[in-house]
Amino acid sequence: EAGVAQSPRYKIIEKRQSVAFWCNPISGHATLYWYQQILGQGPKLLIQFQNNGVVDDSQLPKDRFSAERLKGVDSTLKIQPAKLEDSAVYLCASSLDRPLRFMNTEAFFGQGTRLTVV
Amino acid sequence: QKEVEQNSGPLSVPEGAIASLNCTYSDRGSQSFFWYRQYSGKSPELIMSIYSNGDKEDGRFTAQLNKASQYVSLLIRDSQPSDSATYLCAVRDDKIIFGKGTRLHILP
Repeated sequence: EAGVAQSPRYKIIEKRQSVAFWCNPISGHATLYWYQQILGQGPKLLIQFQNNGVVDDSQLPKDRFSAERLKGVDSTLKIQPAKLEDSAVYLCASSLDRPLRFMNTEAFFGQGTRLTVV
Repeated sequence: QKEVEQNSGPLSVPEGAIASLNCTYSDRGSQSFFWYRQYSGKSPELIMSIYSNGDKEDGRFTAQLNKASQYVSLLIRDSQPSDSATYLCAVRDDKIIFGKGTRLHILP
């Protein structure tokens, strides 16, 4: 079974530039998450999709971050304009939509995109 | 604001000993609990999930859940140098929230 695919693996941009990340979840996983992980911290949820609808985006800085999942499969996360503090690893994860009795609810992660803003 | 709390460490444990990692969470409605391992520069990898009170064992790993105390723990028996990593506790109700992680260092 193929895992969560993300690209690019690394990106270096100057502040005020824009950047986009792509994610393709595990086949059959309706729930997709974007997390931001700053060095030394745990992953912070930015946005959660169920199919192509947004479940939670309460911690997404909406003045500069946007995300979409138009066909309910792959997703893109965009930052425009980037700030120095956006330097982090951006992790995409996916999980099953309708777990059986709360089993199999875990999320599986892609390799992440390491963003450096200079 | 739902929170997951972990001691950031580092926790140093001699090789062959038992490593004990702890986590508390704030949301009583949480239904699923996970431990992820994250090596430096890598993404989190699921090592244990637990859904009901009590212990769950898988090889050298045992997860323990106490919903009344809102407490989750992970025991690693016969610790190996390859267990040196950051261990992330995660809790799910409608979304998955992570703690900041505990850095574990196994001393050869």
